[in-house]
Amino acid sequence: NAGVTQTPKFQVLKTGQSMTLQCAQDMNHNSMYWYRQDPGMGLRLIYYSASEGTTDKGEVPNGYNVSRLNKREFSLRLESAAPSQTSVYFCASSGAGIKRGYTFGSGTRLTVV
Amino acid sequence: KNEVEQSPQNLTAQEGEFITINCSYSVGISALHWLQQHPGGGIVSLFMLSSGKKKHGRLIATINIQEKHSSLHITASHPRDSAVYICAVSMSGGSNYKLTFGKGTLLTVNP
Repeated sequence: NAGVTQTPKFQVLKTGQSMTLQCAQDMNHNSMYWYRQDPGMGLRLIYYSASEGTTDKGEVPNGYNVSRLNKREFSLRLESAAPSQTSVYFCASSGAGIKRGYTFGSGTRLTVV
Repeated sequence: KNEVEQSPQNLTAQEGEFITINCSYSVGISALHWLQQHPGGGIVSLFMLSSGKKKHGRLIATINIQEKHSSLHITASHPRDSAVYICAVSMSGGSNYKLTFGKGTLLTVNP
């Protein structure tokens, strides 16, 4: 089915470990995003990529890096995981122009112990 | 100061009731989104609005740009409507549509 695919769905890391969250979309969308969702805080933007070849920081970028590998794929890397990065992570994409909607991935539940 | 405010935070209704969730924002926007998230689940886009009103089944979304306010209505509510409803806006200008979110409204519909 068309949409945004995120992997993995669940992950437990030890403090200091690294990992990469993968995201791919097959809707030919230009823009891709990584958000985190925390209780009481709502969803907050970590990084985004307005188009292939560009990435920019969002509201809460510290501790993360991203790569826009091609138009389809946008990965999020935690170099040295911390307990404060325990969260649910959502990848999303949107098309060019205001009439193109937003599509979210199913989320990655990450626990850092 | 949160740029997107939703009310109420929590809402409990009986099956069949008419439900309204409100969203106010303080910035110029290019679009407003209503999203649905079931417990432990992913996020689904219900509506994207830049003006007026949209309807899909029992769901209706309205927006008043001058008043910076939007409402999501659910007619004949059903227990399967129980979810968190999230209002989000994309700011005016720019070529991307990164979203700023409200904190969500937890809706519980009892049979």
